[in-house]
Amino acid sequence: GQQLNQSPQSMFIQEGEDVSMNCTSSSIFNTWLWYKQDPGEGPVLLIALYKAGELTSNGRLTAQFGITRKDSFLNISASIPSDVGIYFCAGGITGTASKLTFGTGTRLQVTL
Amino acid sequence: KAGVTQTPRYLIKTRGQQVTLSCSPISGHRSVSWYQQTPGQGLQFLFEYFSETQRNKGNFPGRFSGRQFSNSRSEMNVSTLELGDSALYLCASSFTRGNEQFFGPGTRLTVL
Repeated sequence: GQQLNQSPQSMFIQEGEDVSMNCTSSSIFNTWLWYKQDPGEGPVLLIALYKAGELTSNGRLTAQFGITRKDSFLNISASIPSDVGIYFCAGGITGTASKLTFGTGTRLQVTL
Repeated sequence: KAGVTQTPRYLIKTRGQQVTLSCSPISGHRSVSWYQQTPGQGLQFLFEYFSETQRNKGNFPGRFSGRQFSNSRSEMNVSTLELGDSALYLCASSFTRGNEQFFGPGTRLTVL
């Protein structure tokens, strides 16, 4: 099945550093979502974006809906140890179906 | 408000058997989607139910089926299990079609 391209695949950073990751698609989406998944758990919704160019924040997290509607970006500022996990982007076509297409994931590890 | 619940959390079956997984959406949510997560294929959309009707289906064989009840609870069934069906099966609910999806903890299915 289709997966969106996420980069980087994994990151190993120090506490306090800022993190950036992105997601690209060959198809246009009109919804972009970012999720975080901890081991053994389901993905937790972090941010939802509905408009091209939109920039939305949730605490230390900021995400952007790319102008082309084929990409999205997630930034985490001042990372802390509990940011460890796998981050997934997901694209959706609202109005017709609730099928989400997920990215390949970015594994984030944070050291003290 | 209680989150999405899935039962059972873990399941071990043998090839050829069938299995039924259950999902209770967040109260008031009417759309339920199912996803399969494996290390190789990532998160893949199985199907979506809304108002007791399957609205969209992913690229999975007919052995995978589901249904939704009048209280929005949903079940998925996999018949004639194969080794490759071993995966984390995730259920997600949303208020209506196309809204943000909230995931349950998943059911870990192991096929021996």
